[in-house]
Amino acid sequence: GEDVEQSLFLSVREGDSSVINCTYTDSSSTYLYWYKQEPGAGLQLLTYIFSNMDMKQDQRLTVLLNKKDKHLSLRIADTQTGDSAIYFCAESPRSNYQLIWGAGTKLIIKP
Amino acid sequence: DADVTQTPRNRITKTGKRIMLECSQTKGHDRMYWYRQDPGLGLRLIYYSFDVKDINKGEISDGYSVSRQAQAKFSLSLESAIPNQTALYFCATSDSDRPEQYFGPGTRLTVT
Repeated sequence: GEDVEQSLFLSVREGDSSVINCTYTDSSSTYLYWYKQEPGAGLQLLTYIFSNMDMKQDQRLTVLLNKKDKHLSLRIADTQTGDSAIYFCAESPRSNYQLIWGAGTKLIIKP
Repeated sequence: DADVTQTPRNRITKTGKRIMLECSQTKGHDRMYWYRQDPGLGLRLIYYSFDVKDINKGEISDGYSVSRQAQAKFSLSLESAIPNQTALYFCATSDSDRPEQYFGPGTRLTVT
């Protein structure tokens, strides 16, 4: 069946780049997403990528998609304390009505 | 004002009680969703609705029911709450022409 996997934790130093990784199993996925959840808050859509793209960049965020390996990554340049959150990867295996979610990666920023 | 609102934000209830969680949106989206979030499990879809007359079960609909009272309102009911329904519940919306889903702030439900 469909499955999305992420590491549960990532620790980086303030100012370094963070790279959060995700693997998925459904090769028919049309869109892949990154959401951010801060403590006590809802989920904020950070970015998404269409499956026919390899890369998408938006300010400090870079998304890389390797469709052959079914691997998605989110790079956050110059990581700041405000980036502390849980980051969720999700895929949309069919036409936009159901998202399959990873368990989330908690990003911890060290001073 | 927030585009997607949920009420209540927190609720503690006892086993066997009926409870309703409400969601309203001002985004004008036709699609609405209910998810639950459990630690270490990500989000799981409970129900979704493409328009007022279209309601569909998601991955984990047992023990839940929904009502789409209007395009802007989608409520989730637990007919007889049980402790393993303790979770964080999120409502989301999307436009049928767009892939993005937008989430409310969540309702933390505790069933004792």
